[in-house]
Amino acid sequence: QMQLQESGPGLVKASETLSLTCAVSGGSFSTSTYYWAWIRQTPGKGLEWIGSVFYSGSTYYNPSLKSRVTISVDTSNNMFSLKLTSVTATDTAIYYCARHSYGVAANYFDYWGQGTLVTVSS
Amino acid sequence: QSGLTQPRSVSGSPGQSVTISCTGTTSDVDTDTFVSWYQSHPGKAPKLIIYAVYNRPSGVPDRFSGSKSGNTASLTISDLQADDEAEYYCCSYAGTDVVFGGGTKLSVL
Repeated sequence: QMQLQESGPGLVKASETLSLTCAVSGGSFSTSTYYWAWIRQTPGKGLEWIGSVFYSGSTYYNPSLKSRVTISVDTSNNMFSLKLTSVTATDTAIYYCARHSYGVAANYFDYWGQGTLVTVSS
Repeated sequence: QSGLTQPRSVSGSPGQSVTISCTGTTSDVDTDTFVSWYQSHPGKAPKLIIYAVYNRPSGVPDRFSGSKSGNTASLTISDLQADDEAEYYCCSYAGTDVVFGGGTKLSVL
């Protein structure tokens, strides 16, 4: 059974960089069928797609976050990472990593990590 | 980026059926394969319950069904149960961008 697990600091200071990692186990990571995604959830805005990365390193980002986001992969360790720069209080959210079926015939997130709460402090 | 519009809340009694709509611009929901739905309980990761408009992943009860008409996708939950009380989100594409609806709170009275 595929499992994803987020890790990283739960508290980040405003204007600094949020960094999270997602470890993938129980399935193929370097697959041509799926991307790997970051999604966040807040009580006010609900779910928000941050971006997705292919095992080759190809990425797609949410246009509203694109200037501050970098998603990268580490295929040797079956991991992918999120960096979000210049954070503010509005970036406080639960951050999820997920497997993303993304392409010409599909769009869905079928496996999710448990989520990690990141709070931006002033 | 285009948006997907969902009702803020719906409610129903145990045993009844409810339908949650998801309306967007034609480019968001006009393609059969792109709409998915998620169930979100507090403190838990969202769960995929419908993909490609109509399809249920293994393990999702057939009480959950999806449909689409024009630029509106819908999720119907029949034989409502207490555990169905949750937030529900639709998801689709806008070009190459993934968009979620704002979420619908389902209350089981």
